[in-house]
Amino acid sequence: QVQLVQSGAEVKKPGASVRVSCKASGYTFTDYYIHWVRQALGQGLEWMGWINPNSGGTNYPQNFQGRVTLTRDTSISTAYMELNRLRSDDTAVYFCARSDYSNYWFDPWGQGTLVTVSS
Amino acid sequence: QLVLTQSPSASASLGASVKLTCTLSSGHRSYAIAWHQQQPQKGPRYLMKLNSDGSHIKGDGIPDRFSGSSSGAERYLTISSLQSEDEADYYCQTWGSGLVVFGGGTTLTVL
Repeated sequence: QVQLVQSGAEVKKPGASVRVSCKASGYTFTDYYIHWVRQALGQGLEWMGWINPNSGGTNYPQNFQGRVTLTRDTSISTAYMELNRLRSDDTAVYFCARSDYSNYWFDPWGQGTLVTVSS
Repeated sequence: QLVLTQSPSASASLGASVKLTCTLSSGHRSYAIAWHQQQPQKGPRYLMKLNSDGSHIKGDGIPDRFSGSSSGAERYLTISSLQSEDEADYYCQTWGSGLVVFGGGTTLTVL
């Protein structure tokens, strides 16, 4: 079945960077976009951008531009999200999710990765 | 600007039905949306994609108790025969011009 499996929890200090992985299985990795979404404790969902695994092209919303980098390794069907210059308010659960190229509805979602930023 | 508006909370009794609403911003009433369910301490799960004409594509394994409908700028999620496991946060999501937008979510309490 189609599945996205994310890497484990991370604890980082303010100012550091974190990289979270998302391994896809059950479908052709390059046929669908991968999106990243985060959720702070008790808060709603916040979209962070997408990557086209076929071309490597990306798109980020304005509030994450310059601080988020999405990449992929097609040889292992894995997408990555790197967030730089971490702050305490980046503490959140980070999710990856799949969409097709023209309609960005998310199915399925990864299980989530908790990133804690603390000094 | 593309915005989705949801009521923060809703409640209904066990076995009853509830209709949740997601409202598209002005100028975007033709947009499709997706509904996602997030049970406590879990990640989101895709429920359905809902078009402006009310047609929808449900996710694998989503019970028939979950249905969608549309009217103008409103997109609805109806859950019938409410069960305790339906107590969750429900998010609507849409997209346009390469961007993605989420509604603020509705917390459903099953009484």
